[in-house]
Amino acid sequence: GDSVTQMEGPVTLSEEAFLTINCTYTATGYPSLFWYVQYPGEGLQLLLKATKADDKGSNKGFEATYRKETTSFHLEKGSVQVSDSAVYFCALRGNYGQNFVFGPGTRLSVLP
Amino acid sequence: DGGITQSPKYLFRKEGQNVTLSCEQNLNHDAMYWYRQDPGQGLRLIYYSQIVNDFQKGDIAEGYSVSREKKESFPLTVTSAQKNPTAFYLCASSMAPTGIGYTFGSGTRLTVV
Repeated sequence: GDSVTQMEGPVTLSEEAFLTINCTYTATGYPSLFWYVQYPGEGLQLLLKATKADDKGSNKGFEATYRKETTSFHLEKGSVQVSDSAVYFCALRGNYGQNFVFGPGTRLSVLP
Repeated sequence: DGGITQSPKYLFRKEGQNVTLSCEQNLNHDAMYWYRQDPGQGLRLIYYSQIVNDFQKGDIAEGYSVSREKKESFPLTVTSAQKNPTAFYLCASSMAPTGIGYTFGSGTRLTVV
């Protein structure tokens, strides 16, 4: 079945450092890909998404490009802030509106 | 403002008791979902419902039950048959069948003592 793999955390960075969180997937067909963010004690919020190969999703300085050849959707940000500290989930949804498949999440801590 | 409301935010129950978690949405979404989140793991789907009076089991339905009598409401009951019920529970909703507008609630942390 479909699956999502993320780099294990926690990831600890200093403010203004460059962030990469790796995500790879296994799926049949052409899934849509998502990054969700979860702040402490809260639900998940959609951060960005991409629905087809070579699409780039972006939001709040975060970016991720749908790479079909490497089945990847790595999350990047050029300069992280303390307020970016959260858990980040990579997810996919099949191209027929099926349910989501989530990765295990990567905890990011940004130190001032 | 439209959204999903989960209540309560924290819930404590004694072992062997059933407990019901509330999820209400005013987004006019057809589909609703329940997930379980454990530390270091992704979200696992418990049950979902695409339409009123119909629901399907997800990946970890054993020990849980749901009902969908109204479009706005999708309560989850954690029964005494659930062997390890302490977890963070998230409800979500979306348009069906496209999944457009997928929105999460803020979660309920259940602790069984």
